[in-house]
Amino acid sequence: GQNIDQPTEMTATEGAIVQINCTYQTSGFNGLFWYQQHAGEAPTFLSYNVLDGLEEKGRFSSFLSRSKGYSYLLLKELQMKDSASYLCALSNDYKLSFGAGTTVTVRA
Amino acid sequence: DTEVTQTPKHLVMGMTNKKSLKCEQHMGHRAMYWYKQKAKKPPELMFVYSYEKLSINESVPSRFSPECPNSSLLNLHLHALQPEDSALYLCASSPLQGSYEQYFGPGTRLTVT
Repeated sequence: GQNIDQPTEMTATEGAIVQINCTYQTSGFNGLFWYQQHAGEAPTFLSYNVLDGLEEKGRFSSFLSRSKGYSYLLLKELQMKDSASYLCALSNDYKLSFGAGTTVTVRA
Repeated sequence: DTEVTQTPKHLVMGMTNKKSLKCEQHMGHRAMYWYKQKAKKPPELMFVYSYEKLSINESVPSRFSPECPNSSLLNLHLHALQPEDSALYLCASSPLQGSYEQYFGPGTRLTVT
C-alpha cells in the first residue's frame, strides 16, 4: 500500500514563499504529481516528477527525492489566487493515489 | 480542446430514484476515471476504464454502475443511493491509463435526500 502524508493547513503572506512537503512510504511508483484544487472546483495539474531533482515551472517548483521518500512543492511570489488545496499524488501503471491535501491560505 | 465536461452540475435525488451522470472528452484519451470527493478530503478513485473496458473497480457498491459507450463518453448510473453518497463526483481522462496527467471535469455535486 501507499502512505502519503502532507500537512493539513498552511498560511502565508502575499508575495512570500511557501513550501508544501509530501512524504510517502510505498513499495514502488512511477512518478509523483502535484495538483491544485480551488474550493468547489476540479483539480488541475501543476507538476510531475519522475527523476530525483527539481522541476521548475514559473512560480511553482517541485522536488523529488526517492531515497528520502520525500517531495515538496514550492510556491514563490504568492498571490491571493494561490489560496487552494494542494494535492500530492503517486502514480503507478494503473492509477493515482492522492494524499489528503494541504490547504494554503494566502493573507494580504 | 483540453476540456472534460460533466453534466449535470448539480443533482438532487431521492433514495429510490435512478439517475445518471455523464462525462465527455474529445482529446482522444483512452483512459477515463470516476472519482468521489467528500468535503475537505482528496478525490477517491471509484472506477477506471481503459480502451472502453473496465480496468479497475475499487470495491464500489453495486448501486453505482459505470458505463463507457465509446471512447469519448463515460456514464455513472446511480440507483438506490444512500445519503452518505452525497459528494462531488469527478470525471477525469488521460492519454493512457497510468502515469499520465489526468484532466478533470468540473464535477457533479450530488445530494441524496
